[in-house]
Amino acid sequence: QSVLTQPPSVSGAPGQRVAISCTGSGSNIGANYDVHWYQQLAGTAPKLLIYGNNNRPSGVPDRFSGSKSGTSASLAITGLQAEDEAEYFCQSYDSSLTAVVFGGGTKLTVL
Amino acid sequence: QLKLQESGPGLVKPSETLSLTCTVSGGSISSFFWTWIRQSPGKGPEWLGYLHYNGDTDYNPSLKSRVSISADTTKNQVSLRLTSLTAADTAVYYCARETISSTYHPHWFDPWGQGTLVIVSS
Repeated sequence: QSVLTQPPSVSGAPGQRVAISCTGSGSNIGANYDVHWYQQLAGTAPKLLIYGNNNRPSGVPDRFSGSKSGTSASLAITGLQAEDEAEYFCQSYDSSLTAVVFGGGTKLTVL
Repeated sequence: QLKLQESGPGLVKPSETLSLTCTVSGGSISSFFWTWIRQSPGKGPEWLGYLHYNGDTDYNPSLKSRVSISADTTKNQVSLRLTSLTAADTAVYYCARETISSTYHPHWFDPWGQGTLVIVSS
């Protein structure tokens, strides 16, 4: 059971928009800790996708965006492409656990 | 371009100690934070701990008594040691650079190594 809760799966057709939620609590996201997102293609290591809630590293398409509000964060992907099919994880910090924490991951399927 | 490569035994017995090495190329391990993260099959990643180049360390409290991270600057390597292994420690183990920011907390991890699978079984 992950401290940050993500839906196990989401799906969308090419060109559509999908959003992946990351729900925390008052000791992590709600305590104003920032959220980062990673993309993990099948059989590969996670790759940084969004840092500091809504910032894209160089090379990440602007189809990917992040937001944070209250005790939750969200990753949005517009103009879905087949290459976006992957697992997505959120990451933050929990002051009760005094540890970096990750979400359980969301598998994105491009129909 | 910074590259990280984990190495170590793929199979270890219960109760034994795991030792993994992360070899860094394309940059020096001095001046950065280095983190170990693991991912059990079908689960989200789990942060194990970090080492700062000045020697400071911090570990996940859930593992604190069993985990240690060290560095060999002469070989540009960061190492992980995990004791008293059980089947629950079966996972892919990753090393990653922790990017430091004065603006955002916590820090984030980029890049990651390709990971090494460790199976704990007799």
